[in-house]
Order: sequence, then structure tokens, then C-alpha cells
Amino acid sequence: TQLLEQSPQFLSIQEGENLTVYCNSSSVFSSLQWYRQEPGEGPVLLVTVVTGGEVKKLKRLTFQFGDARKDSSLHITAAQPGDTGLYLCAGVHMDSNYQLIWGAGTKLIIKP
Amino acid sequence: NAGVTQTPKFRILKIGQSMTLQCAQDMNHNYMYWYRQDPGMGLKLIYYSVGAGITDKGEVPNGYNVSRSTTEDFPLRLELAAPSQTSVYFCASRTDYPINEQFFGPGTRLTVL
Repeated sequence: TQLLEQSPQFLSIQEGENLTVYCNSSSVFSSLQWYRQEPGEGPVLLVTVVTGGEVKKLKRLTFQFGDARKDSSLHITAAQPGDTGLYLCAGVHMDSNYQLIWGAGTKLIIKP
Repeated sequence: NAGVTQTPKFRILKIGQSMTLQCAQDMNHNYMYWYRQDPGMGLKLIYYSVGAGITDKGEVPNGYNVSRSTTEDFPLRLELAAPSQTSVYFCASRTDYPINEQFFGPGTRLTVL
């Protein structure tokens, strides 16, 4: 069974603080995606990282793919209440007909 | 484009009842998925389809059935509803490799009493 473990499961911080969410696996992925899900809605894709060591920035969000393509991190700088949501990582595994392997998610609350 | 649409948004079933959750997409995607999401948890794959007429089981298929007669539609059938099927159900479709982006519907919140 291929697993993607996300940590922490839950994070509640004050507006303006920085945070990092991790996504780890023992499997190698051809790419890894991060989604954000707001209450009552479906997940929405934030970014896809493909190359080992790749770093992508989306405003205050920085995504990194590990060199060995087994792990990824999401760093948020100066978090804002609008960042509140469930963050899900999902790995694309070539041996699984390109199906997504989903992490359990990190529930993030940013308090004003 | 409407993207992925799901109906109904909410439903309450009694134990043993059956129902069909509807899903449609207008992006001409070959791949479609059904997930369930329990409170505070991630997504579990129920069934998926790689094109019209082709479906396959995911991680948690028991108690569910699907069909894919057209590219657009991918209904999920619940037979003999059980309390364990209380969940939020999401339908999704995705672009082909190498993009692999999944687009989700708004979800159906199902309660089985």
C-alpha cells in the first residue's frame, strides 16, 4: 500500500505567523500536487511539482519537492485568515495508472 | 463551462434505502472519480473510470456501484444504505497526463439514519 503521510494533522496559529506542512512517503512519485479545500467545497489544485528539488512559489506559499521525489513541503509566510482550510497533498504514481495517492490532509486555522 | 456538477447537494436516507448520486462534467475528460470524505479526513477513492464503458474499483467500493455510458456522466449508486455510508461524496474528473489536474464537484452530503 502506498501511503502519503501529512503532518501536522491540525494547526491553529495567529495571523502573521509562518508555518510549514509536510507530506512524506516511502514511494517515489512522478509528481506531487497540493490542493486546498474550503468548508463545503471540493478541493482545488494549488500547484504541481514534478522535478526533484523543485521549488514553486504562489504569492506567500512556497512548495518544495524533495530531491528523491518522495516528500514535499508547503510553507506559508505571514499567514492570513484567508489561508484557513484543509490542505491535501496527492502523489501521482506511474505504476498506478497515474491515479492520485492522497494524504489525509492538514487542517489549518489562521486566527485574526 | 460548468465544470463538474453534482446532485443532490444534501440527502437523508433511511437504512436499507437506495439512491443514485449524479455527476456530470463538460470538460471532455476521460478520467472520472468518486471519492468519499469522512469528517476531518482525506479522500478515499470509491470507483473510477478511464473512459465511457470502463470502470474499476478503488479503495472502498463495497456497497456502491457505478456506470459510465457517456463521457459526461458518471453516476454512483448506493444499494441498501448503511450508517457507515454517511459521508460527503465528491465526484471529480481530470486532465490527461502529464497535467493530471483533478477538478472536483461541490459534493453531496449524505446522512443515513
